[in-house]
Amino acid sequence: DQQVKQNSPSLSVQEGRISILNCDYTNSMFDYFLWYKKYPAEGPTFLISISSIKDKNEDGRFTVFLNKSAKHLSLHIVPSQPGDSAVYFCAASQGGYDGSGNTGKLIFGQGTTLQVKP
Amino acid sequence: NAGVTQTPKFQVLKTGQSMTLQCAQDMNHNSMYWYRQDPGMGLRLIYYSASEGTTDKGEVPNGYNVSRLNKREFSLRLESAAPSQTSVYFCASSGIQITAFGQPQHFGDGTRLSIL
Repeated sequence: DQQVKQNSPSLSVQEGRISILNCDYTNSMFDYFLWYKKYPAEGPTFLISISSIKDKNEDGRFTVFLNKSAKHLSLHIVPSQPGDSAVYFCAASQGGYDGSGNTGKLIFGQGTTLQVKP
Repeated sequence: NAGVTQTPKFQVLKTGQSMTLQCAQDMNHNSMYWYRQDPGMGLRLIYYSASEGTTDKGEVPNGYNVSRLNKREFSLRLESAAPSQTSVYFCASSGIQITAFGQPQHFGDGTRLSIL
């Protein structure tokens, strides 16, 4: 049972255009969401996060949107640059205790490979 | 500023051999984690240690053991390696376990393990 899903394995965009990466989740207990970026042969690096009390968080060229009713979040990169080419993982976490053992753990999606063409 | 350091970076084992993957962090973090990454599966939590002296199972703990040696170090052991354990293993650390409080995990660069 995949609680966090990234249904697009890959995405290709032209330099300067917008990149939109999508992520869906099923567990309504998740209250914190993160995006990580991963280059080949390196570990994931934290990019941006959002708490469930917000619907948008912005950091430079990166904006994350959260739609709680749809259990959907997206990462927008504007403008896209060739250096943004990487694998992007969304992850979700729950702070509340519900006896499931999930408290505090990060649940990752499968990842989306973004290619930004010059 | 090393962050999270994993050793070795690459390893090839034969089925049945044992091996310990090492991880150390220099950020004075309380919580540490071991993940495996497989194609199309994202990162899956194997074991974690919320604080020094405690360890707990994650999503895929079978075939693995862990030791939180001290606050800095968290090792992952494969007692009898199997081909299904061929993967890339990542260690991570965070200030506190509850990520919802705004403490993202910091990852090492991974150990690429092949089991023949």
